[in-house]
Amino acid sequence: QQQVKQSPQSLIVQKGGISIINCAYENTAFDYFPWYQQFPGKGPALLIAIRPDVSEKKEGRFTISFNKSAKQFSLHIMDSQPGDSATYFCAASRGYNQGGKLIFGQGTELSVKP
Amino acid sequence: DTGVSQDPRHKITKRGQNVTFRCDPISEHNRLYWYRQTLGQGPEFLTYFQNEAQLEKSRLLSDRFSAERPKGSFSTLEIQRTEQGDSAMYLCASHDRLNEKLFFGSGTQLSVL
Repeated sequence: QQQVKQSPQSLIVQKGGISIINCAYENTAFDYFPWYQQFPGKGPALLIAIRPDVSEKKEGRFTISFNKSAKQFSLHIMDSQPGDSATYFCAASRGYNQGGKLIFGQGTELSVKP
Repeated sequence: DTGVSQDPRHKITKRGQNVTFRCDPISEHNRLYWYRQTLGQGPEFLTYFQNEAQLEKSRLLSDRFSAERPKGSFSTLEIQRTEQGDSAMYLCASHDRLNEKLFFGSGTQLSVL
């Protein structure tokens, strides 16, 4: 059972454009939603995270939009750069004590063309 | 370097052999997690420790897998009688409960021939 579904699988964006990656979850008990960035040969690195009590969180060029009623959240990368080319994973967990036990989406391979 | 350290980075073994991986977490984090990641997929939770106690194991962790964290510091993950299906990246992560952040190491890439 896939509890977190991510789309698209791959994404090509021109430099300076906006990259948008979407995730949908099933378990309404989830209350922590991070996004991770992974480069080849490296472990995932936390980019930004949100809790369901807010609808949007912005950190630099990265924004999470959260829609609790639709059980969806998305990552927006503004002014995308070639250095942003990586695989991005959304994830979810439930409960403060389960914050490290994440359910990951399948990943989106982003390529930013110069 | 105060990040999560994993050793070795790569391991090639023959089917049926035993392998052991090591993880050194960030020293002030008392929770340590193991995940497995196969090509083109997101990481999957395997098990986690709070200090030296192993608190949860996933159904993915068959009897051939065992993890330890003696003295609540570094952790080891052992796979006995490896199978080709065990080929994957094994990731260790250290949990900062105060800031709710999970820090991953660079992983150990296992190839079973």
